[in-house]
Amino acid sequence: EVQLLESGGGLVQPGGSLRLSCEASGFDFSSYVMTWVRQAPGKGLEWVSAISGSGSTTYYADSVKGRVTISRDNSKNTVYLQMNSPRAEDTAVYYCANKVGATFNWGQGTLVTVSS
Amino acid sequence: EIVLTQTPVSLSVSPGQPASISCKSSQSLLHTDGKTYLHWHLQKPGQPPQLLIYEVSKRVSGVPDRFSGSGSGTDFTLQISRVEAEDVGVYYCMQTIQLPRLTFGQGTKVEIK
Repeated sequence: EVQLLESGGGLVQPGGSLRLSCEASGFDFSSYVMTWVRQAPGKGLEWVSAISGSGSTTYYADSVKGRVTISRDNSKNTVYLQMNSPRAEDTAVYYCANKVGATFNWGQGTLVTVSS
Repeated sequence: EIVLTQTPVSLSVSPGQPASISCKSSQSLLHTDGKTYLHWHLQKPGQPPQLLIYEVSKRVSGVPDRFSGSGSGTDFTLQISRVEAEDVGVYYCMQTIQLPRLTFGQGTKVEIK
């Protein structure tokens, strides 16, 4: 069974930094693209970023490009999202997700609140 | 970027009555491999989304058969034949033809009358 467990959320000041983590289990981690999706309070789902299985290729939504960095450590089955200089509009629940075969799996999410 | 347009925004349904949600894509979701990469998720209150239907019409194991998906190309529909109280939440369509870049519909909130 695929399991995705996010951590690292919390309150961060505008201009600060925060690193989210997602520990995965139940599948061959290094073989799959990993994705971050966020959901602002009361809003819909927004794709944020993704990283290839090897970590060599990264992808970003225009809304976060230049402010977040995705990375992964395949020895730890973990993907990260480094948030630099977050803005109030980055306040959201951040979900780790992936597509394994035909199924799409979600973590429970971690809440990031950007506020002074 | 592929845009998915869902309608209606919200739906209030009496128990036992049917419900239907539309999802229209700005581009065809039919891949050269013959599969169509349109999927449906349900987000129940206070929970993460969960996949209900993948590749237009294939139910995930454990999903009741009152849920069905149909459509092709750019027009898709999720139908619930007889809505039950446990079906409340927000339904999202999602495309994965442009993996790893995903897009989602705006969501349809289903409530019980």
